[in-house]
Amino acid sequence: AQSVAQPEDQVNVAEGNPLTVKCTYSVSGNPYLFWYVQYPNRGLQFLLKYITGDNLVKGSYGFEAEFNKSQTSFHLKKPSALVSDSALYFCAVRGPLNRDDKIIFGKGTRLHILP
Amino acid sequence: KAGVTQTPRYLIKTRGQQVTLSCSPISGHRSVSWYQQTPGQGLQFLFEYFSETQRNKGNFPGRFSGRQFSNSRSEMNVSTLELGDSALYLCASSLGLAGGYTDTQYFGPGTRLTVL
Repeated sequence: AQSVAQPEDQVNVAEGNPLTVKCTYSVSGNPYLFWYVQYPNRGLQFLLKYITGDNLVKGSYGFEAEFNKSQTSFHLKKPSALVSDSALYFCAVRGPLNRDDKIIFGKGTRLHILP
Repeated sequence: KAGVTQTPRYLIKTRGQQVTLSCSPISGHRSVSWYQQTPGQGLQFLFEYFSETQRNKGNFPGRFSGRQFSNSRSEMNVSTLELGDSALYLCASSLGLAGGYTDTQYFGPGTRLTVL
């Protein structure tokens, strides 16, 4: 069965510093990986996704993520954090073409950017 | 383009009642998925509809049901409400083509359900 883990419930980063939000996954075959962000009292917003091709994926708001097949990871990164990046971040995985595969979301990581 | 809309935004019910939530997808999107978000369990997939057919279902009891109409609008119903059903219910729409596996999902603001 497929699964996704976000090992950190909360990450604190000083404004201007680089940030990383970790995500690891388990899926048979090649995964489809997604990052979403949720601001207070809002639904989720899409940041980026990995389907195939280049392992480094660039997304919205200056975020990027690197697909690492050997480490089964898809960590979200940003070179310089902004206070406005403070939010709840979700990693999600979906398996390859299989009628029974559903999208699975991680528990979420709350990112605090300190001014 | 208008985003995904959900109604109502807030709802208070008592145990044993039933509730119906509504979701209008982005124009042109044919897939609608529903999720339950709680502090303890996180974001859990309920079901996905594509062209009026349920394409996928999560691990929820039969009290949770849904349907999709010909205009792609979707409703979710929960019967015999329990205290544990209190949650934020999110709807997401996508194009839904080729099984929707690589789709970007566009989420609505959610319906906050409180069961007393």
